[in-house]
Amino acid sequence: DIVMTQSPDSLAVSLGERATINCKSSQSVLYSSNNKNYLAWYQQKPGQPPKLLISWASTRESGVPDRFSGSGSGTDFTLTISSLQAEDVAVYYCQQYYFTPQFTFGPGTKVDIK
Amino acid sequence: EVQLVQSGAEVKKPGESLKISCKGSGYSFTSYWIAWVRQMPGKGLEWMGIIYPGDSDTRYSPSFQGQVTISADKSINTAYLQWSSLKASDTAMYYCARQIGRVTHVDYWGQGTLVTVSS
Repeated sequence: DIVMTQSPDSLAVSLGERATINCKSSQSVLYSSNNKNYLAWYQQKPGQPPKLLISWASTRESGVPDRFSGSGSGTDFTLTISSLQAEDVAVYYCQQYYFTPQFTFGPGTKVDIK
Repeated sequence: EVQLVQSGAEVKKPGESLKISCKGSGYSFTSYWIAWVRQMPGKGLEWMGIIYPGDSDTRYSPSFQGQVTISADKSINTAYLQWSSLKASDTAMYYCARQIGRVTHVDYWGQGTLVTVSS
């Protein structure tokens, strides 16, 4: 089974500062035929369903603020919030969608305001 | 506007059956996959399986194969998740979500259906 891990489990960042979340997959999710990483990032605020932020490791969804960015390839990925805002308090999940039919999520990283 | 509207919260006893629903609107329901995702209380997200309403092609995560049944009725743009015999460990929030392709991410999510199984 493919295993997704995230670090840290939680972090507290001052408003306006950078938040960095790491995601690691136990196997590469880079498909060599199209050079795409099958990795997405979701944001889940309390009491709400998740929301897609980034797909294909680095493609920001329409309407997502540009302070959110994704990077990485193969097995190691990063979600960066360049300037944390109060509305960014949430749990963030990575998900691989390479290994069908088990599109595993990471355990989540909780982001709070310091 | 793409919308996925799920049925309301359920409270059931162990051993009972249950079928929850997810109605899609604002897009071609038969052209996208619907995924089901479980979130146990205070826990993370678990991808359960998907269905293509166009032809009812269904795939299950090995962790959920045989535990639940995913189906769809394309005539009413609705997907379903059902249990034949609930257990207390099925207590969770269940989300449906639109998946663009068989091997892609999900882009839109339903509001969730809370299932509580308790004697």
